[in-house]
Amino acid sequence: DAGVTQSPTHLIKTRGQQVTLRCSPKSGHDTVSWYQQALGQGPQFIFQYYEEEERQRGNFPDRFSGHQFPNYSSELNVNALLLGDSALYLCASSLAQTNYEQYFGPGTRLTVT
Amino acid sequence: QQPVQSPQAVILREGEDAVINCSSSKALYSVHWYRQKHGEAPVFLMILLKGGEQKGHEKISASFNEKKQQSSLYLTASQLSYSGTYFCGTEGGNDYKLSFGAGTTVTVRA
Repeated sequence: DAGVTQSPTHLIKTRGQQVTLRCSPKSGHDTVSWYQQALGQGPQFIFQYYEEEERQRGNFPDRFSGHQFPNYSSELNVNALLLGDSALYLCASSLAQTNYEQYFGPGTRLTVT
Repeated sequence: QQPVQSPQAVILREGEDAVINCSSSKALYSVHWYRQKHGEAPVFLMILLKGGEQKGHEKISASFNEKKQQSSLYLTASQLSYSGTYFCGTEGGNDYKLSFGAGTTVTVRA
């Protein structure tokens, strides 16, 4: 049973650039949430996708956008990167009916220089 | 709004017990507990729903006091494998997101 997968594992970008991160949910899950985790902090909710629509959004600027595909996989896009965007980006999948157990992927470590 | 966790860190010897607390200023529908080891993804431990039901996972259990909007995680007879950072994630009744605390780092020594 495949768990949540994310790609790439690590990424280094320059300020002002754009980045796309990818996530495939656990088999059977239909909901994907994205979180940003700064060093030494807890994950911060970015947004959640269900049925290819953004269902809820956290306190992140419009530079952060996403997409969910018919196969439930998802992308997180960040435009005009800032140094402060450097963090571990986690994807979590769950079942919409319950939204109970959220299974996290290994994350993508983004470094902005 | 983020829940507040305490303590920030705890050091234990194998076999000792510890309690981690999580409190919120808003009404909660559920509390989720995760453990994250260095360089790894958070791993789901358990969820507690409104109603105060206590759940257990191995020798790790938790309670949820919905009147006080607090949850506590109990580590009993700790093992080396319990080391990591524990996060509580809280969910209100009207939204889907989890708000995570800053975490409690647990170090279990032989």
